[in-house]
Amino acid sequence: SSELAQDPTMSVALGQTVRITCQGDSLRTYSATWYQQKPGQAPVLIIYGKDHRPSGIPARFSGSSSGTTASLTITGAQAEDEGDYYCTSRDTRGNLRVVFGGGTKLTVL
Amino acid sequence: QVQLVESGGDLVKPGGSLRLSCAASGFAFSDYSMSWVRQAPGKGLEWISYISNGGYTIYYADSVKGRFTISRDNAKNSLFLQMNSLRVEDTAVYYCARDIDGQYYDSGLYQVFYYYYMDAWGKGTTVTVSS
Repeated sequence: SSELAQDPTMSVALGQTVRITCQGDSLRTYSATWYQQKPGQAPVLIIYGKDHRPSGIPARFSGSSSGTTASLTITGAQAEDEGDYYCTSRDTRGNLRVVFGGGTKLTVL
Repeated sequence: QVQLVESGGDLVKPGGSLRLSCAASGFAFSDYSMSWVRQAPGKGLEWISYISNGGYTIYYADSVKGRFTISRDNAKNSLFLQMNSLRVEDTAVYYCARDIDGQYYDSGLYQVFYYYYMDAWGKGTTVTVSS
């Protein structure tokens, strides 16, 4: 089981807003990082630090956090946003290993 | 541009060994820590190992500790993963990734936060462990 908890599946209507959450104790200290992965492809970094997007990532992706919960919000979801989303941070339980959430499969209707 | 290319994946029998390589280009390899991440068929991402830029700090996931060894050759811009005593459950696509660690001060919360991310990934190499 993951030390970061995500809802396994979510769906959003085309053009609507969806919030994908990630919950874990390490998020009190580490800001969550978010990756998008499409079938047969490597993960792509979409959010890191305090709501930073790498160049090329659309502005409709944003990140936020409160306490032990981090959120990835897609404002105006597009068909190409369908895929798997993973959160990650370092483990804070006395080691610096990396933990991934179990992933959220997002369907755009 | 930054490029990571994994190689060495193969079909191997349980108990066998395999050595994966990751060739890096487009950046100063010796300045960055690196990680290996794997993904079993139909499953999520699993981090398995980390090595600091100089190779002096190494971490492993419990699932591979004692069986896998991460190493790097900065002169050859290469990262390696020696995999011994392979099990069926090690079957996965193995990715190498470039690590970034940092911190920032959140003035609204009066708190220092840390961040960690992998900003570049290879396309992966497939390891299949089966008799």
